[in-house]
Amino acid sequence: GQNIDQPTEMTATEGAIVQINCTYQTSGFNGLFWYQQHAGEAPTFLSYNVLDGLEEKGRFSSFLSRSKGYSYLLLKELQMKDSASYLCAVMDSNYQLIWGAGTKLIIKP
Amino acid sequence: TAGITQAPTSQILAAGRSMTLRCTQDMRHNAMYWYRQDLGLGLRLIHYSNTAGTTGKGEVPDGYSVSRANTDDFPLTLASAVPSQTSVYFCASSDSGLADTQYFGPGTRLTVL
Repeated sequence: GQNIDQPTEMTATEGAIVQINCTYQTSGFNGLFWYQQHAGEAPTFLSYNVLDGLEEKGRFSSFLSRSKGYSYLLLKELQMKDSASYLCAVMDSNYQLIWGAGTKLIIKP
Repeated sequence: TAGITQAPTSQILAAGRSMTLRCTQDMRHNAMYWYRQDLGLGLRLIHYSNTAGTTGKGEVPDGYSVSRANTDDFPLTLASAVPSQTSVYFCASSDSGLADTQYFGPGTRLTVL
């Protein structure tokens, strides 16, 4: 079966750095996406990785290792507005997204 | 631009009744999707359409039907609602049905009693 695993909840302090991990087992791989979802709102796109390595976009970076079936999202200089759920999703061989349950990130002042 | 709109925002529905959730996009995207989101679970694909005139079944299609008469609209119909269909429903679109970013509408919160 196909499976995406990520921690249910994480807590971090404003101004700090946090790393959210995602491991996956899917039938085929056509890229990995990270989305942010604030409570009661729609998911919004953060990043896309299809090749191994680190993609940096401002305060957010995403890393992929295809051989390990592993990705992480790194958030730097945390702000209160970063409190949200972070969703990891893998596009399988049929170009369908398989979603993790999401990691709820709580930022404390 | 509006992007993707969904209607209604929320709805309470009696079991056994039918309902259509509406989704419209103005980005001229070819592919559209319907997901449901339930607590503790990842988004699950209900139905999708790679281009106008075609539809396909996702992971959880039972009890739902869709149509894609044109590029912009992708309605989702529940023929006879059951309480297990209580969920938040998101419509999404992407430029193509391949490895393109999916953009989401604001969602419809549906409660079936």
